[in-house]
Amino acid sequence: DIVLTQSPDSLAVSLGERATINCKSSQTLLYSSNSKNYLTWYQHKPGQPPKLLIYWASARESGVPDRFSGSGSGTDFTLTITSLQAEDVAIYYCQQYYSHPYTFGQGTKLEIK
Amino acid sequence: EVQLVQSAAEVKEPGESLKISCRGSEYSFTIYWIGWVRQMPGKGLEWLGIIYPGDSDTRYSPSFQGQVAMSVDKSINTAYLQWSSLKASDTAMYYCARHKDSRNQYGGFDIWGQGTMVTVSS
Repeated sequence: DIVLTQSPDSLAVSLGERATINCKSSQTLLYSSNSKNYLTWYQHKPGQPPKLLIYWASARESGVPDRFSGSGSGTDFTLTITSLQAEDVAIYYCQQYYSHPYTFGQGTKLEIK
Repeated sequence: EVQLVQSAAEVKEPGESLKISCRGSEYSFTIYWIGWVRQMPGKGLEWLGIIYPGDSDTRYSPSFQGQVAMSVDKSINTAYLQWSSLKASDTAMYYCARHKDSRNQYGGFDIWGQGTMVTVSS
């Protein structure tokens, strides 16, 4: 199985500041034939289902604010939230869909400082 | 509105069987893979597996193979997750979700059900 390791486990950022969450894969998620990285990011708030933010490592889902961005390739990926808003408090997960089982990272809890 | 609606919360005793459901609406149910995700209390998300409603092609996580069974009834746009003998360790929130791209497993899950809480206790 591919193991995704997120860092940090928790993060406290001031309103209006930048938050950065990392996701490291035990194997490459870059498919050479199409040069795409098979990685997504989700936001999960209590009492709600997860919400898709980013797919193909850097493509923003429709309706997601542009302060959310994804980057990285191969085995190292980053979710960046610029200008943190109060409503961004949540747990963030990366997930790979390169090979079965489509594993999730352990999650990163984002709070306001 | 495209949505997945899951069945209500369940409270069961160890050893009992259970089947929970996930009904899709306002999209072509048969051409999008449906997945199941578990969240145990206070824990992260776990991928159980996926099923293609068009032909019931199913892929299980090795961690859950033999522990759960996925099925669909495409005549009523509904996917199911079932257990034959529940354990206390099956207590969790279970989400169904739809893969973003039709006919393939790409792009992650873009539409999620509201979740079904399963509690197993004697």
